[in-house]
Amino acid sequence: QQQVKQSPQSLIVQKGGISIINCAYENTAFDYFPWYQQFPGKGPALLIAIRPDVSEKKEGRFTISFNKSAKQFSLHIMDSQPGDSATYFCAASTAYSGAGSYQLTFGKGTKLSVIP
Amino acid sequence: KAGVTQTPRYLIKTRGQQVTLSCSPISGHRSVSWYQQTPGQGLQFLFEYFSETQRNKGNFPGRFSGRQFSNSRSEMNVSTLELGDSALYLCASNPGRGYEQYFGPGTRLTVT
Repeated sequence: QQQVKQSPQSLIVQKGGISIINCAYENTAFDYFPWYQQFPGKGPALLIAIRPDVSEKKEGRFTISFNKSAKQFSLHIMDSQPGDSATYFCAASTAYSGAGSYQLTFGKGTKLSVIP
Repeated sequence: KAGVTQTPRYLIKTRGQQVTLSCSPISGHRSVSWYQQTPGQGLQFLFEYFSETQRNKGNFPGRFSGRQFSNSRSEMNVSTLELGDSALYLCASNPGRGYEQYFGPGTRLTVT
């Protein structure tokens, strides 16, 4: 089964600091890489996504960095706030290839705690 | 537009019973996927439906099944429930190729 490996499992960051979560994938057919944020008792919410033809995408305090040759991508949260405390999941799919499925393969998740 | 809705939100069943969960996708979305979320295994893909046809299936036993109706609403069924089926079951909808998937709040299933 195709895998997406995510690290670290948990992360504690001071308010105002930078949170960095890393993911690595195996399947070179993946062409869409979203990040989801999940609060307890809620479903995952799409945070930001990138395609492999772009090396970086920024939306507000959230940035995805993508390294196609290394098959790695990461989420950076700048100026982390206590309200960012949640579990973050990276994922990958072949959403653009028309391969016939939009199946998302998820990383195991990172529990982020931002302390005041 | 209303988001993805799932019913019921919470469910308690006994081993050996069966259960049916329902998902209404965002209006206009034709693809519905189901995922199982557990603390140990994380988010795992169950199956995907597009225009009433199952397009893809994850690595789950045949006790897990689903269907999609002409209005894109979807149901999943789990027969002969086991303790290990206790999980959050998430439904996600997608309007088509190249678009993001949007998740519902999930159904929390507890098997006792």
